[in-house]
Amino acid sequence: GAGVSQSPRYKVAKRGQDVALRCDPISGHVSLFWYQQALGQGPEFLTYFQNEAQLDKSGLPSDRFFAERPEGSVSTLKIQRTQQEDSAVYLCASSHGPKIGTYEQYFGPGTRLTVT
Amino acid sequence: AQSVTQPDIHITVSEGASLELRCNYSYGATPYLFWYVQSPGQGLQLLLKYFSGDTLVQGIKGFEAEFKRSQSSFNLRKPSVHWSDAAEYFCAVGESGNTPLVFGKGTRLSVIA
Repeated sequence: GAGVSQSPRYKVAKRGQDVALRCDPISGHVSLFWYQQALGQGPEFLTYFQNEAQLDKSGLPSDRFFAERPEGSVSTLKIQRTQQEDSAVYLCASSHGPKIGTYEQYFGPGTRLTVT
Repeated sequence: AQSVTQPDIHITVSEGASLELRCNYSYGATPYLFWYVQSPGQGLQLLLKYFSGDTLVQGIKGFEAEFKRSQSSFNLRKPSVHWSDAAEYFCAVGESGNTPLVFGKGTRLSVIA
């Protein structure tokens, strides 16, 4: 079946531009996660949703970062006024959610954001 | 707070040799532990996971890992490495698989002939 998809796969933005990154989770998955992976580092948690509710956004690095999942399916991560330090791979993951007994997150291929 | 340490940044092994990648975690309760693999330009693929029960878990691609509570470790092993195993390996810990994961910094595996 289809996995997690993300678009665009690559994005180059000039400093100060706004960007929007899209995540399509696996159909039926309740939980959706965003992670940021800097070059040579492990992924770091940004935020996550259960259905349309954003349960935790403690990892968002600044108020320039905003995520939404209005219908409990597709999610968008928006970064306003991009800065060079925002350059990273942004990974999306989804999982069945707490009511089903499989406990693993499935990751998309990521969006590589380069801010020039 | 949860944390994961992968002490080895880069490991090189010969094809056919055995492999052990180290992972130590810090977590107050019984953790959910994961090993993921990432090939260049790819997302993360789950190799195996541990929640409870048998402390030796089998995963895909011939990998296994052993949970040792006394050592707070969850080391990944493979008896015979193939050239296609060259990739970045990440250990992760979470309260469950449905909560945010904390990842280590990763170990890059190179395989030589």
